[in-house]
Amino acid sequence: DVKVTQSSRYLVKRTGEKVFLECVQDMDHENMFWYRQDPGLGLRLIYFSYDVKMKEKGDIPEGYSVSREKKERFSLILESASTNQTSMYLCASVPSGRAQETQYFGPGTRLLVL
Amino acid sequence: LAKTTQPISMDSYEGQEVNITCSHNNIATNDYITWYQQFPNQGPRFIIQGYKTKVTNEVASLFIPADRKSSTLSLPRVSLSDTAVYYCLVGDENTDKLIFGTGTRLQVFP
Repeated sequence: DVKVTQSSRYLVKRTGEKVFLECVQDMDHENMFWYRQDPGLGLRLIYFSYDVKMKEKGDIPEGYSVSREKKERFSLILESASTNQTSMYLCASVPSGRAQETQYFGPGTRLLVL
Repeated sequence: LAKTTQPISMDSYEGQEVNITCSHNNIATNDYITWYQQFPNQGPRFIIQGYKTKVTNEVASLFIPADRKSSTLSLPRVSLSDTAVYYCLVGDENTDKLIFGTGTRLQVFP
């Protein structure tokens, strides 16, 4: 079974803090994704990566950056957290990134920015 | 950007069939349509996937018309444990990105 883990289930940070969210997958998948999920808005893609050190902006990249130094690990960084970044963050991995390939999701990190 | 829309919520009773439709007006030609189920405080998980016509597995059926601009997830005889949010996922023709639908919250009552 594919396992996707996220570093924290719940996180509370203050405005202006730098926040790191980490995601690790154990199936040697090429593609990894970061989404945020908000009531009424569904899942929105922040960034994705199709290879080590490669990244592409998703639909809402503003205020975020990412890092993929190793194939199994994809980090989401909030350089200076703001209250509007309070959300549920979901990481996913896929062998090659097409819709026909199942996305495997982590359990999510619920971030509260005060 | 493709608009992938779903009804916000649906209510049903145990034992009934539930049909959830997703509209995807700009689906990529070669991409499949995938549906996911999400329970509270968990990540989405795969339910079913199809390219055209009808697909059935042990959990659900998926109906896709010839123009592929929509798809309908059919859950036969739902139970309380089917209460969840359901998302469709398609590839966008123009941007080559994967787009999740807005999600449908299904509430099943006893």
